[in-house]
Amino acid sequence: AQSVTQLDSQVPVFEEAPVELRCNYSSSVSVYLFWYVQYPNQGLQLLLKYLSGSTLVKGINGFEAEFNKSQTSFHLRKPSVHISDTAEYFCAVSEEDSGAGSYQLTFGKGTKLSVIP
Amino acid sequence: NAGVTQTPKFQVLKTGQSMTLQCAQDMNHEYMSWYRQDPGMGLRLIHYSVGAGITDQGEVPNGYNVSRSTTEDFPLRLLSAAPSQTSVYFCASKPGASNTGELFFGEGSRLTVL
Repeated sequence: AQSVTQLDSQVPVFEEAPVELRCNYSSSVSVYLFWYVQYPNQGLQLLLKYLSGSTLVKGINGFEAEFNKSQTSFHLRKPSVHISDTAEYFCAVSEEDSGAGSYQLTFGKGTKLSVIP
Repeated sequence: NAGVTQTPKFQVLKTGQSMTLQCAQDMNHEYMSWYRQDPGMGLRLIHYSVGAGITDQGEVPNGYNVSRSTTEDFPLRLLSAAPSQTSVYFCASKPGASNTGELFFGEGSRLTVL
């Protein structure tokens, strides 16, 4: 079974400042990693995902994340945030496809990003 | 293109009542799932389906039933509602069962059990 820990429940940051949202995972097998964003009163939408290959992944809205296997981390970064980035961000993990039949995507508890004007 | 549609958006139940949350997708996705979202708990998987006629339990299945008679629909049934089931419920789908795929979410159904 896999698990996800998001180290910060809330992150306030000033507009145009950089931000990092931290995510660590635990799994006994190889994994795929995802970041989803939830705007108020909406469902979640995918920001980016790591499946294999380059450890630096770029997503929508200027976000990027770096997969670090030795530290079992997948931190999300943006060099300059906007008011419109205010939302809740979820890190998620699933097992690498193996044919063994685990089809579960496990989410972290979320980090609320508040961008201050 | 409607995507994933959930009904109702809001519902208030009394303890012991039953109800069904509806989920429909028009993207011909094989995989469908139900999550519940509670403050400080993130999203937890209730049940999922990798195709019509196939369902399986997730992390928190107790108190919920599902069925998948068509590709498009994946209803979630509460047989005897309890206050602990007060939550926001999300239905999500993706094209296939592969874990590489993006999940597409509905807008959620907010349930209060008194």
